[in-house]
Amino acid sequence: GQNIDQPTEMTATEGAIVQINCTYQTSGFNGLFWYQQHAGEAPTFLSYNVLDGLEEKGRFSSFLSRSKGYSYLLLKELQMKDSASYLCAVRDKTSGTYKYIFGTGTRLKVLA
Amino acid sequence: DVKVTQSSRYLVKRTGEKVFLECVQDMDHENMFWYRQDPGLGLRLIYFSYDVKMKEKGDIPEGYSVSREKKERFSLILESASTNQTSMYLCASSLIGDSHYYGYTFGSGTRLTVV
Repeated sequence: GQNIDQPTEMTATEGAIVQINCTYQTSGFNGLFWYQQHAGEAPTFLSYNVLDGLEEKGRFSSFLSRSKGYSYLLLKELQMKDSASYLCAVRDKTSGTYKYIFGTGTRLKVLA
Repeated sequence: DVKVTQSSRYLVKRTGEKVFLECVQDMDHENMFWYRQDPGLGLRLIYFSYDVKMKEKGDIPEGYSVSREKKERFSLILESASTNQTSMYLCASSLIGDSHYYGYTFGSGTRLTVV
């Protein structure tokens, strides 16, 4: 079947580094996305991985291991504005049809 | 920037009413999607469309229907609203393809309360 798991909630301190893990199972893997969602707002695109390895974009990095069905989002130099939910999503391509499967999200609280 | 606009930010409807949620995108995207988002359940796909007049059921289509008469507009219809349809509804659009450019752009969401 298709499934995505990520922790429900994490807490970290301003200025610290936090790693949010995501494991997935899908038959037609076609890319993994991370989205950020502030309370009451729409998700916004953060990162995309389709090959194994680390993608770095400023304070945010995302890693993918396709053989392990595993990804993580790394946030460095945490700021208060990083308090949000982080959604892991897998794009599945089966029979030519694309489908996105979302995890339930990880709510990150950044403390002063 | 791609813009996806949902017609209402907040809606309150009565049980049994027919409810229309409208979504418009301005970047000529082929794909459009309707999700609902509930605490602890994440985003669940209701319906999607890859082209005008085309629709496909997602994971939870029961109690909903959709309409796509024009490429830029995708409407979600609750035929007879029920209290268990109280939720945040998110519309999204994307291009077709494998590139990272083809991730979603979301609308700002409609928080629907059925009383």
